[in-house]
Amino acid sequence: DQQVKQNSPSLSVQEGRISILNCDYTNSMFDYFLWYKKYPAEGPTFLISISSIKDKNEDGRFTVFLNKSAKHLSLHIVPSQPGDSAVYFCAALLSGAGSYQLTFGKGTKLSVIP
Amino acid sequence: KAGVTQTPRYLIKTRGQQVTLSCSPISGHRSVSWYQQTPGQGLQFLFEYFSETQRNKGNFPGRFSGRQFSNSRSEMNVSTLELGDSALYLCASSFNTDTQYFGPGTRLTVL
Repeated sequence: DQQVKQNSPSLSVQEGRISILNCDYTNSMFDYFLWYKKYPAEGPTFLISISSIKDKNEDGRFTVFLNKSAKHLSLHIVPSQPGDSAVYFCAALLSGAGSYQLTFGKGTKLSVIP
Repeated sequence: KAGVTQTPRYLIKTRGQQVTLSCSPISGHRSVSWYQQTPGQGLQFLFEYFSETQRNKGNFPGRFSGRQFSNSRSEMNVSTLELGDSALYLCASSFNTDTQYFGPGTRLTVL
């Protein structure tokens, strides 16, 4: 049973436009969410996170929105740049569980077209 | 600070052999987690160590084991390798926060 889902395997966006990557989760106990970016043959790079007590977190070109009632989060990248082309993973955590076990989605491959 | 380092980066083994992978966390980080990435299953949690104790374990067979040393460095071992164990093995460290930082991974190929 997949607890974190990224339903779009791929996304293509023109350079300079907004990229929106979506993620849904089923476990209402998750209370901390993270986005990672990954290039082939490298480890995931942390991008941005959000606690369930917030509905928005911004860091430069990256903004994460959380809708707890819908169990949905999204990552907005504005403006998109060719260097943003990578696979993006959404991950969820039970922060109070006394253990750091991330549950990942299967990823969305973003291609930013120059 | 130096990031998470993993050795070796690439490894080729044959079925039935065993393998040991190593991870050095970011200085000061006491939690080390291991993940397996395969094309079909994505990133899956193997286990997490904190202060030399395993705090959590994912749904993997007993052939997968790990340990953590007093300097927080961690090793994972896979015994009796199977073809399906071919994957990218990722280590992540955390300093008592909710954000984990990943190493570059070890690419294991089982022939």
